[in-house]
Amino acid sequence: ETGVTQTPRHLVMGMTNKKSLKCEQHLGHNAMYWYKQSAKKPLELMFVYSLEERVENNSVPSRFSPECPNSSHLFLHLHTLQPEDSALYLCASSQGSAGDAYEQYFGPGTRLTVT
Amino acid sequence: AQSVAQPEDQVNVAEGNPLTVKCTYSVSGNPYLFWYVQYPNRGLQFLLKYITGDNLVKGSYGFEAEFNKSQTSFHLKKPSALVSDSALYFCAVRGSNDYKLSFGAGTTVTVRA
Repeated sequence: ETGVTQTPRHLVMGMTNKKSLKCEQHLGHNAMYWYKQSAKKPLELMFVYSLEERVENNSVPSRFSPECPNSSHLFLHLHTLQPEDSALYLCASSQGSAGDAYEQYFGPGTRLTVT
Repeated sequence: AQSVAQPEDQVNVAEGNPLTVKCTYSVSGNPYLFWYVQYPNRGLQFLLKYITGDNLVKGSYGFEAEFNKSQTSFHLKKPSALVSDSALYFCAVRGSNDYKLSFGAGTTVTVRA
């Protein structure tokens, strides 16, 4: 395992529900990321946190709300999602700050299904 | 804007044969280039990267990649493929002054016994 954990691994939610995805990294990294992976499409960067500050919000709808309470934890709060939001949501972390040349380490992802 | 192209959706090779997965990129400034592999129901695993220096980069599990600036390519290679190399491979690029890592759409590699 890469040292990045995500919970839950699978989530089914209705369009009116509110849920949260959790990511935790045990690597001592300073930057964390949320990605969306849909079938047959490139990974889409959603949010970047560097030293607990959000440095990138890649035009993500407001129904997705990130939270980074400390450098080890990252959350993605979900509300009033749409069926097209069904995807694999991946968390990643990297050393240094987000602008450095370090590789990212990924968690196993949360498979989200919106019904 | 930066982008990555992986021109082949699928690559099929016999075990023991050389494996090549192609990647070309477009980026402003100096590129940081990465290869990742994804096995079913798993996250992406880092294989190797090019930041600067020697154009031939060696990585995990016997993989290597060659940075070619003139052709803006960063092809992944393995001299002798294994059945266990069957997976989804992603190339990614970032400009040296950017936070955003852009991924290709991925190439599915199947190695037959």
